Amino acid sequence: DSGVTQTPKHLITATGQRVTLRCSPRSGDLSVYWYQQSLDQGLQFLIQYYNGEERAKGNILERFSAQQFPDLHSELNLSSLELGDSALYFCASSPRGQNTEAFFGQGTRLTVV
Amino acid sequence: AQSVAQPEDQVNVAEGNPLTVKCTYSVSGNPYLFWYVQYPNRGLQFLLKYITGDNLVKGSYGFEAEFNKSQTSFHLKKPSALVSDSALYFCAVRDASSGGGATNKLIFGTGTLLAVQP
Repeated sequence: DSGVTQTPKHLITATGQRVTLRCSPRSGDLSVYWYQQSLDQGLQFLIQYYNGEERAKGNILERFSAQQFPDLHSELNLSSLELGDSALYFCASSPRGQNTEAFFGQGTRLTVV
Repeated sequence: AQSVAQPEDQVNVAEGNPLTVKCTYSVSGNPYLFWYVQYPNRGLQFLLKYITGDNLVKGSYGFEAEFNKSQTSFHLKKPSALVSDSALYFCAVRDASSGGGATNKLIFGTGTLLAVQP
């Protein structure tokens, strides 16, 4: 168990809908990262938050947004969903310091029908 | 731009034999390299990392990796494979090209499926 908790584990929704994925980082970790894993794109970095502020942004669509709350949990919001958004979404957290390894949650499998 | 390449989609090895999963990297500046493993329906688990120092890095579950600067490689190795090692392995490099250097976000390779036959 990595200590990173993601809910829900599975999500099935229709095109055009909006969903929220939730992540609780390991105790004490200030950084939260979101990644998307799909068959055609592989593992792609989406966005990072550090202590409530956006720190780095990757290939995140404008339809997607995220935030990190004062208790350090994070949410990834996906709207106007398309079939191509079906993927495994991972959250990871890491301790302070450079070059520390990230610890991944078990992911949320999103299926858009 | 930082990148890693895993040239093999799949590696097959017999149980008890040594295994190697290949990774090459392209970075500007010092490379900070990682290996992760993903079991079916699970998240990624950290195996090991190279930041600086010895070129041979030891990690979890008996895995090790050899950093070779001249060949820009970071191959994952294990002296004796187990059936339970069968999984998807990812090489990754830290991408500090944005975020003012204060980010540990990772760029992942495409993954290599390791299949260990009994």
